[in-house]
Amino acid sequence: GAGVSQSPSNKVTEKGKDVELRCDPISGHTALYWYRQSLGQGLEFLIYFQGNSAPDKSGLPSDRFSAERTGGSVSTLTIQRTQQEDSAVYLCASGTGGNQPQHFGDGTRLSIL
Amino acid sequence: RKEVEQDPGPFNVPEGATVAFNCTYSNSASQSFFWYRQDCRKEPKLLMSVYSSGNEDGRFTAQLNRASQYISLLIRDSKLSDSATYLCVVTINNNAGNMLTFGGGTRLMVKP
Repeated sequence: GAGVSQSPSNKVTEKGKDVELRCDPISGHTALYWYRQSLGQGLEFLIYFQGNSAPDKSGLPSDRFSAERTGGSVSTLTIQRTQQEDSAVYLCASGTGGNQPQHFGDGTRLSIL
Repeated sequence: RKEVEQDPGPFNVPEGATVAFNCTYSNSASQSFFWYRQDCRKEPKLLMSVYSSGNEDGRFTAQLNRASQYISLLIRDSKLSDSATYLCVVTINNNAGNMLTFGGGTRLMVKP
């Protein structure tokens, strides 16, 4: 069956531009997470959506980062006025609930020039 | 203190060796535990859940010690293909509900 789908796979953009990353979770999954991972580093939690609850935004590194999840399904992560330190792989994962394992998409590799 | 802590390694072992990783967690109310595996430049993938009574999947054995708040992963008869980063995952309860929290990972390198 279809897994978690992320787009684009790769994104190269100039410093200062805004970028939007998309995540299509597995159908029916109520939990959705965004992470980022720099080369050789661990996963950095960004934001967590669970059903209709208010999202946990505690991992967002600055107010340039925001995320939405419309209709409880697709999510977009927006980074405004990108900086070079934003370069990383952005991973999305979804699951059936907070106590259940999550499944990851292939990620979006973001490069800021 | 991090909520989920792992020794980053690397653990360098020869093929055929037995290797064990531990992971400690700070929230005594955590209820679900998992091990994930991440290959270089790939996304993490679920390796196995960890049950209270301990569980085994082929060469892999996972155990939970609630009293000491740690989980372990034992790999027997290591293969070259076991080389990867192993991530410990624990559920944490916060304002958004139960959510999964990852440790920083332990890197394993199996040598011929």
